[in-house]
Amino acid sequence: GAVVSQHPSRVICKSGTSVKIECRSLDFQATTMFWYRQFPKQSLMLMATSNEGSKATYEQGVEKDKFLINHASLTLSTLTVTSAHPEDSSFYICSARDRGEQYFGPGTRLTVT
Amino acid sequence: DQQVKQNSPSLSVQEGRISILNCDYTNSMFDYFLWYKKYPAEGPTFLISISSIKDKNEDGRFTVFLNKSAKHLSLHIVPSQPGDSAVYFCAASAGRDSGYALNFGKGTSLLVTP
Repeated sequence: GAVVSQHPSRVICKSGTSVKIECRSLDFQATTMFWYRQFPKQSLMLMATSNEGSKATYEQGVEKDKFLINHASLTLSTLTVTSAHPEDSSFYICSARDRGEQYFGPGTRLTVT
Repeated sequence: DQQVKQNSPSLSVQEGRISILNCDYTNSMFDYFLWYKKYPAEGPTFLISISSIKDKNEDGRFTVFLNKSAKHLSLHIVPSQPGDSAVYFCAASAGRDSGYALNFGKGTSLLVTP
């Protein structure tokens, strides 16, 4: 199957700082990528749909000014958590569509202290 | 509001037996259903999918059954192996109209004992 990478895999940051997470499709081009968030023992919740060359589509309740998404190329989407707070601590996972299937990255564990 | 529900948070099965994981959904617009396997601190791995035009799809030890009238699907793993122990997520999509976004259940933790 297609390969999706995420970087970093783990990050710890202080409250008030910003953190950027990268999502790359390694062996295919993805016009659409998705960003999910998972709390412990909870389902993956879709945050936003990232479209190459256009603005991301955010789900209800997700602050677009706080979670900045940039889909700069057909193989790269970035999620920037701005002015991070401890409640932003979570597991963030991206996915990319390839020929109808979604392939997920390994996830990024964000801890805000 | 959870549109995809997995009501069993955990399941324990003996090696060699059948594992049956259940999933219910509420949105009649869903037309594509998937099962993912996930280990802690990793992204989900695609297992098997089924389109709403089918009622069964089989791939090796994994079979997914879809009952549209009941808005229910299930994943059968037979025979179960210890390596199958993981959290299994059911997901559903309304296709192009929803931008192909996936709605996930809360997952069922499967433990296969030797």
